Amino acid sequence: KNEVEQSPQNLTAQEGEFITINCSYSVGISALHWLQQHPGGGIVSLFMLSSGKKKHGRLIATINIQEKHSSLHITASHPRDSAVYICAVNVIQGAQKLVFGQGTRLTINP
Amino acid sequence: KAGVTQTPRYLIKTRGQQVTLSCSPISGHRSVSWYQQTPGQGLQFLFEYFSETQRNKGNFPGRFSGRQFSNSRSEMNVSTLELGDSALYLCASSLLDSPKTEAFFGQGTRLTVV
Repeated sequence: KNEVEQSPQNLTAQEGEFITINCSYSVGISALHWLQQHPGGGIVSLFMLSSGKKKHGRLIATINIQEKHSSLHITASHPRDSAVYICAVNVIQGAQKLVFGQGTRLTINP
Repeated sequence: KAGVTQTPRYLIKTRGQQVTLSCSPISGHRSVSWYQQTPGQGLQFLFEYFSETQRNKGNFPGRFSGRQFSNSRSEMNVSTLELGDSALYLCASSLLDSPKTEAFFGQGTRLTVV
Protein backbone atom coordinates (compact mmCIF):
# COMPACT_ATOMS: atom_id res chain seq x y z
CA LYS A 1 0.00 0.00 0.00
CA ASN A 2 1.35 3.44 -0.93
CA GLU A 3 2.04 5.86 1.89
CA VAL A 4 0.11 8.56 -0.01
CA GLU A 5 -3.11 7.72 -1.83
CA GLN A 6 -5.07 10.07 -4.06
CA SER A 7 -8.58 9.80 -5.42
CA PRO A 8 -9.85 9.88 -8.01
CA GLN A 9 -7.04 8.94 -10.39
CA ASN A 10 -8.86 10.55 -13.30
CA LEU A 11 -11.56 13.19 -13.26
CA THR A 12 -13.43 14.77 -16.16
CA ALA A 13 -15.83 17.63 -15.55
CA GLN A 14 -17.58 20.47 -17.34
CA GLU A 15 -16.44 24.04 -17.12
CA GLY A 16 -17.87 25.73 -14.06
CA GLU A 17 -18.15 22.62 -11.92
CA PHE A 18 -16.83 22.40 -8.36
CA ILE A 19 -13.92 19.95 -8.20
CA THR A 20 -12.61 17.98 -5.22
CA ILE A 21 -9.46 15.86 -5.18
CA ASN A 22 -8.67 13.83 -2.09
CA CYS A 23 -5.40 12.74 -0.51
CA SER A 24 -4.92 10.28 2.36
CA TYR A 25 -1.61 9.41 3.95
CA SER A 26 -0.52 6.75 6.40
CA VAL A 27 2.71 8.22 7.82
CA GLY A 28 3.53 10.99 10.22
CA ILE A 29 4.09 14.21 8.34
CA SER A 30 5.37 17.68 9.00
CA ALA A 31 3.77 19.28 5.93
CA LEU A 32 1.62 18.41 2.93
CA HIS A 33 1.96 19.92 -0.53
CA TRP A 34 -0.41 20.19 -3.44
CA LEU A 35 1.38 20.41 -6.78
CA GLN A 36 0.20 21.00 -10.33
CA GLN A 37 1.87 19.47 -13.37
CA HIS A 38 1.01 20.50 -16.91
CA PRO A 39 1.96 18.55 -20.06
CA GLY A 40 5.65 19.15 -20.65
CA GLY A 41 6.46 18.26 -17.09
CA GLY A 42 7.08 21.41 -15.08
CA ILE A 43 5.66 21.30 -11.56
CA VAL A 44 4.16 24.28 -9.76
CA SER A 45 3.65 24.31 -6.03
CA LEU A 46 0.06 25.32 -5.23
CA PHE A 47 -0.08 24.97 -1.46
CA MET A 48 1.97 23.87 1.49
CA LEU A 49 -0.12 23.00 4.55
CA SER A 50 0.58 21.80 8.05
CA SER A 51 -2.86 22.57 9.47
CA GLY A 52 -6.22 24.11 8.64
CA LYS A 53 -7.10 25.64 5.33
CA LYS A 54 -5.54 27.85 2.65
CA LYS A 55 -7.09 29.69 -0.30
CA HIS A 56 -5.55 31.14 -3.47
CA GLY A 57 -8.07 32.53 -5.91
CA ARG A 58 -10.35 29.66 -6.96
CA LEU A 59 -8.24 27.03 -5.22
CA ILE A 60 -8.81 25.88 -1.64
CA ALA A 61 -6.80 23.28 0.25
CA THR A 62 -7.71 21.76 3.59
CA ILE A 63 -5.98 19.29 5.86
CA ASN A 64 -7.20 17.22 8.80
CA ILE A 65 -4.13 16.03 10.69
CA GLN A 66 -6.07 13.68 13.00
CA GLU A 67 -7.72 11.90 10.06
CA LYS A 68 -4.56 12.08 7.88
CA HIS A 69 -6.53 13.52 5.00
CA SER A 70 -6.36 16.54 2.74
CA SER A 71 -8.58 17.88 -0.02
CA LEU A 72 -7.97 20.24 -2.90
CA HIS A 73 -11.01 22.10 -4.19
CA ILE A 74 -11.36 24.11 -7.37
CA THR A 75 -14.35 26.42 -7.65
CA ALA A 76 -15.77 27.55 -11.01
CA SER A 77 -13.43 25.21 -12.88
CA HIS A 78 -11.99 26.29 -16.23
CA PRO A 79 -10.34 24.35 -19.08
CA ARG A 80 -6.99 25.91 -18.15
CA ASP A 81 -7.24 24.03 -14.82
CA SER A 82 -6.72 20.80 -16.78
CA ALA A 83 -3.53 19.25 -15.41
CA VAL A 84 -2.26 16.53 -13.12
CA TYR A 85 -2.61 17.41 -9.45
CA ILE A 86 -0.19 15.72 -7.08
CA CYS A 87 -0.31 15.43 -3.32
CA ALA A 88 3.07 15.12 -1.59
CA VAL A 89 4.09 14.91 2.06
CA ASN A 90 7.22 15.68 4.03
CA VAL A 91 7.70 12.66 6.26
CA ILE A 92 8.67 13.81 9.72
CA GLN A 93 12.22 12.51 9.71
CA GLY A 94 12.83 13.34 6.07
CA ALA A 95 13.56 17.06 5.90
CA GLN A 96 13.00 17.99 2.24
CA LYS A 97 12.33 14.41 1.20
CA LEU A 98 8.87 14.37 -0.38
CA VAL A 99 6.71 11.27 -0.77
CA PHE A 100 4.21 11.60 -3.60
CA GLY A 101 0.76 10.35 -4.42
CA GLN A 102 0.17 8.92 -7.86
CA GLY A 103 -1.54 12.08 -9.10
CA THR A 104 -5.04 12.95 -10.30
CA ARG A 105 -5.47 13.75 -13.98
CA LEU A 106 -8.12 16.48 -14.25
CA THR A 107 -9.75 17.39 -17.55
CA ILE A 108 -12.17 20.29 -17.72
CA ASN A 109 -14.25 20.41 -20.89
CA PRO A 110 -15.62 23.73 -22.21
CA LYS B 1 13.81 36.57 -9.28
CA ALA B 2 14.78 33.72 -11.59
CA GLY B 3 13.20 30.34 -10.91
CA VAL B 4 14.85 26.96 -10.67
CA THR B 5 16.78 26.24 -13.86
CA GLN B 6 17.53 22.75 -15.08
CA THR B 7 19.80 21.98 -17.99
CA PRO B 8 19.59 20.43 -20.44
CA ARG B 9 15.82 20.17 -20.98
CA TYR B 10 16.09 17.10 -23.21
CA LEU B 11 18.76 14.47 -23.55
CA ILE B 12 19.15 11.25 -25.50
CA LYS B 13 21.83 8.80 -24.40
CA THR B 14 22.81 5.25 -25.27
CA ARG B 15 22.80 2.33 -22.82
CA GLY B 16 26.06 2.12 -20.92
CA GLN B 17 26.87 5.82 -21.21
CA GLN B 18 26.85 8.24 -18.33
CA VAL B 19 25.00 11.52 -18.00
CA THR B 20 25.24 14.65 -15.86
CA LEU B 21 22.25 16.88 -15.21
CA SER B 22 22.43 20.35 -13.71
CA CYS B 23 20.15 22.30 -11.41
CA SER B 24 20.55 25.97 -10.48
CA PRO B 25 18.35 26.84 -7.50
CA ILE B 26 16.61 30.11 -6.80
CA SER B 27 19.12 32.67 -5.59
CA GLY B 28 19.58 32.33 -1.84
CA HIS B 29 18.15 28.82 -1.64
CA ARG B 30 20.52 26.32 -0.07
CA SER B 31 18.57 23.08 -0.32
CA VAL B 32 18.29 21.15 -3.58
CA SER B 33 16.37 17.91 -3.95
CA TRP B 34 16.24 15.60 -6.95
CA TYR B 35 13.32 13.43 -8.08
CA GLN B 36 12.73 10.88 -10.82
CA GLN B 37 9.36 10.63 -12.54
CA THR B 38 8.42 7.60 -14.63
CA PRO B 39 5.01 6.46 -15.89
CA GLY B 40 5.24 3.27 -13.87
CA GLN B 41 6.65 4.49 -10.55
CA GLY B 42 5.48 8.10 -10.49
CA LEU B 43 7.61 10.61 -8.64
CA GLN B 44 10.34 9.22 -6.42
CA PHE B 45 12.88 10.97 -4.23
CA LEU B 46 16.52 10.58 -5.28
CA PHE B 47 18.52 12.73 -2.88
CA GLU B 48 18.71 16.07 -1.11
CA TYR B 49 21.68 18.38 -0.67
CA PHE B 50 22.04 21.22 1.76
CA SER B 51 25.17 23.36 2.08
CA GLU B 52 27.15 20.93 -0.08
CA THR B 53 26.23 17.92 2.08
CA GLN B 54 23.94 15.06 1.10
CA ARG B 55 21.24 15.02 3.77
CA ASN B 56 18.92 12.29 2.52
CA LYS B 57 19.08 9.58 -0.11
CA GLY B 58 16.27 7.62 -1.72
CA ASN B 59 16.22 3.96 -2.62
CA PHE B 60 18.22 4.09 -5.86
CA PRO B 61 21.33 2.16 -6.89
CA GLY B 62 24.80 3.60 -6.51
CA ARG B 63 24.85 4.47 -10.23
CA PHE B 64 22.89 7.55 -9.20
CA SER B 65 25.00 10.17 -7.48
CA GLY B 66 25.03 13.87 -6.99
CA ARG B 67 26.85 16.80 -5.55
CA GLN B 68 26.29 20.39 -4.60
CA PHE B 69 28.66 23.27 -5.09
CA SER B 70 29.40 26.22 -2.84
CA ASN B 71 27.02 28.40 -4.89
CA SER B 72 24.24 25.83 -4.19
CA ARG B 73 24.11 24.64 -7.80
CA SER B 74 23.71 20.89 -7.93
CA GLU B 75 24.51 18.17 -10.39
CA MET B 76 23.32 14.61 -10.55
CA ASN B 77 25.14 11.90 -12.40
CA VAL B 78 23.91 8.56 -13.65
CA SER B 79 26.54 6.09 -14.77
CA THR B 80 26.15 2.97 -16.90
CA LEU B 81 22.75 4.04 -18.15
CA GLU B 82 19.97 1.48 -18.47
CA LEU B 83 16.79 1.69 -20.53
CA GLY B 84 14.81 1.96 -17.29
CA ASP B 85 16.59 5.21 -16.43
CA SER B 86 14.51 6.97 -19.09
CA ALA B 87 12.51 9.46 -17.08
CA LEU B 88 11.82 13.07 -16.27
CA TYR B 89 14.32 14.24 -13.66
CA LEU B 90 13.13 17.13 -11.55
CA CYS B 91 14.95 19.21 -9.04
CA ALA B 92 13.44 21.43 -6.39
CA SER B 93 15.04 24.15 -4.34
CA SER B 94 14.08 25.54 -0.97
CA LEU B 95 15.50 28.15 1.31
CA LEU B 96 16.29 25.74 4.11
CA ASP B 97 16.27 22.00 4.66
CA SER B 98 13.36 22.38 7.06
CA PRO B 99 10.35 20.26 6.06
CA LYS B 100 8.07 23.26 6.46
CA THR B 101 9.88 25.27 3.81
CA GLU B 102 8.16 25.51 0.45
CA ALA B 103 9.85 23.72 -2.45
CA PHE B 104 10.09 25.29 -5.91
CA PHE B 105 10.46 22.94 -8.87
CA GLY B 106 12.33 23.29 -12.13
CA GLN B 107 10.96 22.31 -15.55
CA GLY B 108 12.84 19.05 -15.49
CA THR B 109 15.26 17.24 -17.76
CA ARG B 110 13.71 14.55 -19.93
CA LEU B 111 16.25 11.76 -20.36
CA THR B 112 15.74 9.09 -22.99
CA VAL B 113 18.05 6.08 -22.97
CA VAL B 114 18.14 4.09 -26.22
